[in-house]
Amino acid sequence: EPEVTQTPSHQVTQMGQEVILRCVPISNHLYFYWYRQILGQKVEFLVSFYNNEISEKSEIFDDQFSVERPDGSNFTLKIRSTKLEDSAMYFCASSEAWRTSTQYFGPGTRLLVL
Amino acid sequence: SQQGEEDPQALSIQEGENATMNCSYKTSINNLQWYRQNSGRGLVHLILIRSNEREKHSGRLRVTLDTSKKSSSLLITASRAADTASYFCATDASVRNNDMRFGAGTRLTVKP
Repeated sequence: EPEVTQTPSHQVTQMGQEVILRCVPISNHLYFYWYRQILGQKVEFLVSFYNNEISEKSEIFDDQFSVERPDGSNFTLKIRSTKLEDSAMYFCASSEAWRTSTQYFGPGTRLLVL
Repeated sequence: SQQGEEDPQALSIQEGENATMNCSYKTSINNLQWYRQNSGRGLVHLILIRSNEREKHSGRLRVTLDTSKKSSSLLITASRAADTASYFCATDASVRNNDMRFGAGTRLTVKP
């Protein structure tokens, strides 16, 4: 069964460093998403992406964040200058269509900022 | 905010018993989805129920949706120890948003 994959599974970085989290969505899906979950808290929406542009973003997704689909398969989340509070599990998701479609999640990348 | 909110926050039952978790939300939705998360792991999709549906089944799972009360329930029948996980409902918005908003989840523990 097709699934969303994410790399790396864990990333440790120093505050102020840039990180790139990678995702490979399900191949026939058109909509891509990033969510994050700070330890012990709820899953929070960051951004959605369709047709090579951002379609929605939350207040969390500030200028330090960017997303890109650099080729036909990868979908990346970049954090330009990490802060301690960026430590969280980051989930990528994809869906075939927009509002009425199931979003399938990847296993997540656990980011720790020291 | 139209995010779902689950109750109870935690539920502990014996294997074989049924588990019912509830979710409430604030505004109109297109659909509501239930996800499961094992500790520290990814989210596994369980069921999507559309706003024009009232009940949906999948194996031992039964989901109901009452749009007049803005609430949904997830019933797991004949629970197993392997059902131990956190369960989240997620709602979308009825306007142009395609993001999902998650509740804080119900932590289900099934004791063998």
